[in-house]
Amino acid sequence: EAGVAQSPRYKIIEKRQSVAFWCNPISGHATLYWYQQILGQGPKLLIQFQNNGVVDDSQLPKDRFSAERLKGVDSTLKIQPAKLEDSAVYLCASSLDRVDTQYFGPGTRLTVL
Amino acid sequence: GDSVTQMEGPVTLSEEAFLTINCTYTATGYPSLFWYVQYPGEGLQLLLKATKADDKGSNKGFEATYRKETTSFHLEKGSVQVSDSAVYFCALIISTGANNLFFGTGTRLTVIP
Repeated sequence: EAGVAQSPRYKIIEKRQSVAFWCNPISGHATLYWYQQILGQGPKLLIQFQNNGVVDDSQLPKDRFSAERLKGVDSTLKIQPAKLEDSAVYLCASSLDRVDTQYFGPGTRLTVL
Repeated sequence: GDSVTQMEGPVTLSEEAFLTINCTYTATGYPSLFWYVQYPGEGLQLLLKATKADDKGSNKGFEATYRKETTSFHLEKGSVQVSDSAVYFCALIISTGANNLFFGTGTRLTVIP
């Protein structure tokens, strides 16, 4: 069974630029999560989707971050414009349903200069 | 609020040594507890879990017991191997919530031959 796929694996941008990350969850998984992991910290949930609807985006900085899962499968996370403090690893995870085990992708490491 | 406090690292052990990584939690409801592991260059993987008090999770020689009286979920292994070198994260989910994982800050374990 294929795992959660993410791309790109690494991205370096300058502050005020825009960036987008892509996630393809495990086939059949209805729930998709985006986490932000700052160096030396544990992952923090940014947004959770159930199919193509948002369940929880209370920790998403909506002035600069946006995410979508239009067809209930793939998802994109965008930052516009980026700040230095957005440097982190962005993790995507999926689960069969909201109460099931979450499976994580390898992450995208973002460096904002 | 809900949180996880994890033993700070890094931890360096010799092969075949005994491992304990402490984890305590604060939760308003009845959480499920998890240990995730992140091997170098890989994504987070579920190591073990426990969903109610006195449950013991185990996998790959690792064990952790859900102790409600001490609000703890310490990770143990009797004899570590070099291949156990990784970062270990304690996490919780509130069972009545939105399946949001709250992570500790992680403990880096290095096992030397």
